[in-house]
Amino acid sequence: SYELTQPPSVSVSPGQTARITCSGDILPKQYAYWYQQKPGQAPVLVIYKDSERPSGIPERFSGSSSGTTVTLSITGVQAEDEADYYCQSADSSGTSLVFGGGTKLTVL
Amino acid sequence: EVQLLESGGGLVQPGGSLRLSCAASGFTFSPYAMSWVRQAPGKGLEWVSGISYSGGPTYYADSVKARFTISRDNSKNTLYLQMNSLRAEDTAVYYCVKPLGHCSGGVCPMTGLDNWGQGTLVTVSS
Repeated sequence: SYELTQPPSVSVSPGQTARITCSGDILPKQYAYWYQQKPGQAPVLVIYKDSERPSGIPERFSGSSSGTTVTLSITGVQAEDEADYYCQSADSSGTSLVFGGGTKLTVL
Repeated sequence: EVQLLESGGGLVQPGGSLRLSCAASGFTFSPYAMSWVRQAPGKGLEWVSGISYSGGPTYYADSVKARFTISRDNSKNTLYLQMNSLRAEDTAVYYCVKPLGHCSGGVCPMTGLDNWGQGTLVTVSS
């Protein structure tokens, strides 16, 4: 089975850029997706196919990919961005999904 | 507006069974693969199971294989998860999820989960 590795926590001051990484051997072969989850709420898709942004997601959210690592960037972080963020991908056949362990973003 | 409404959660003893349902509305249900994702208290997200648009094939995480069965009734726009031989480690909020893309030309994407239900809590305890 495949694994995706994220840092447990990232801290950033308001207005700065937060970068959350996700590493895994499957990432050069399969797209990555990013989800934001606030306490007591269901996750929300913020980035799909490595770098695409769903409608309604602010432009400050962006994604990039390089080799076995994908990165979620939040430019000009706001207090409301404080949440848990999860990366997700799939196995080579696309029939088994895998999530990273999650990263808690703290806005100082 | 897409809505996914889960039901069927509750307290069950170890070894017991539960059947979760997910009523879908606001979109055409039948062309989409669907999945269940769970989250144990204070823990991360775990994909549990997925099903193609027609009801087969089905896919499972190793942690639930041979104990859980996913199914769907496209005439009722409803997704199910039959959970047997439940264990304490199955305790979690279970989410019904819809992917971004629908099945087309033999390709049935399950990933890119753009709609989530509110979740239903399953507690396995004696």
